[in-house]
Amino acid sequence: DTGVSQDPRHKITKRGQNVTFRCDPISEHNRLYWYRQTLGQGPEFLTYFQNEAQLEKSRLLSDRFSAERPKGSFSTLEIQRTEQGDSAMYLCASSHGTVIGTDTQYFGPGTRLTVL
Amino acid sequence: AQKVTQAQTEISVVEKEDVTLDCVYETRDTTYYLFWYKQPPSGELVFLIRRNSFDEQNEISGRYSWNFQKSTSSFNFTITASQVVDSAVYFCALSGSSGGYQKVTFGIGTKLQVIP
Repeated sequence: DTGVSQDPRHKITKRGQNVTFRCDPISEHNRLYWYRQTLGQGPEFLTYFQNEAQLEKSRLLSDRFSAERPKGSFSTLEIQRTEQGDSAMYLCASSHGTVIGTDTQYFGPGTRLTVL
Repeated sequence: AQKVTQAQTEISVVEKEDVTLDCVYETRDTTYYLFWYKQPPSGELVFLIRRNSFDEQNEISGRYSWNFQKSTSSFNFTITASQVVDSAVYFCALSGSSGGYQKVTFGIGTKLQVIP
């Protein structure tokens, strides 16, 4: 049973460029989450999907950020016109839940973004 | 609003010593879940335990034990006979009914260094 995978693991980009990250959840997990973690801090919730529906978005997710999960399997997180403040580790997690509150989120290795 | 406080930012112990990581939480929800995750230097968050607010039984898993006290809003984590492989950042986290249970709030983490 493979875990959550994320690609790429590292991304260095120049300010103003667009970047896209991919997350593949544990197979058959219907819920998928994105978090952002800056140095010395805990992860902060960005958004989550149940199947293909995006059900919640944090205020941290500005208009430059968009996430999709078109077929209810993998997900992409795009950041447009990157800024230096976007430099962080972007973590993806997935869970399998049929009853609200009973699932546990399992995390991938993260994508570390550096904006120059 | 939910909040998780991990007052110890860094702890160093000598191998084989016992160590307790403190976690204090705040929530107005009557139903909530508490978690501990481990983040080794590789960066991937590893799930350790989940407890719900109605289950105050302490739990032991090998060298790990958890003490949940609702009266003091604390969910402390003890490692017995620490080993070098325990060196990591440990996060306490909380999800509650007001956040739909899917939005997990993390503390800033406690960095544990076990010295051989």
